[in-house]
Amino acid sequence: RKEVEQDPGPFNVPEGATVAFNCTYSNSASQSFFWYRQDCRKEPKLLMSVYSSGNEDGRFTAQLNRASQYISLLIRDSKLSDSATYLCVVFRNQFYFGTGTSLTVIP
Amino acid sequence: DGGITQSPKYLFRKEGQNVTLSCEQNLNHDAMYWYRQDPGQGLRLIYYSQIVNDFQKGDIAEGYSVSREKKESFPLTVTSAQKNPTAFYLCASSKGLAGATVGNEQFFGPGTRLTVL
Repeated sequence: RKEVEQDPGPFNVPEGATVAFNCTYSNSASQSFFWYRQDCRKEPKLLMSVYSSGNEDGRFTAQLNRASQYISLLIRDSKLSDSATYLCVVFRNQFYFGTGTSLTVIP
Repeated sequence: DGGITQSPKYLFRKEGQNVTLSCEQNLNHDAMYWYRQDPGQGLRLIYYSQIVNDFQKGDIAEGYSVSREKKESFPLTVTSAQKNPTAFYLCASSKGLAGATVGNEQFFGPGTRLTVL
């Protein structure tokens, strides 16, 4: 079983829409959690860390559910510039990456 | 500016050649990593290092070698033993691995695209 699993998408949404991504992890001993954004042919960039109480950064909200072993990312009021692949990352002695969820925001 | 640099951005290799990819960081991070990314796939860990003069194999270390002689530098050599080396190679660093929780985010360099001719 993979350490981290994501729905690969693609998600195609209109501008202004709200979109949510989920990610599940297999090991309950996982220690910390992150969302990264990766643009085409570029390196991943940290979007936000995910804290146990949930956290928000502008239009982005991340949630962690340890009981069910999943994390989520909610993007409100989608912009064209949000089009990218979103990577779920889990840390347990090393970093484990999901394969990413592709998002395209359509004008 | 603090960050991670990788060079070269593009690299072309003939079959049978060894090539070395450079990775330098000035973030004062203890841990450094090398990943490989193939089209449409996730990142796979090649090697990582938690401290100078020490490194461990990741999931796909065969055909690769590394060194960590300085805290700032973690070069990766792709040897001729690597059968399918064409890929996007990413170097990353973080504060550390032991007992790391909040604040141990990874930061990535811009990557090197290696093509075997």
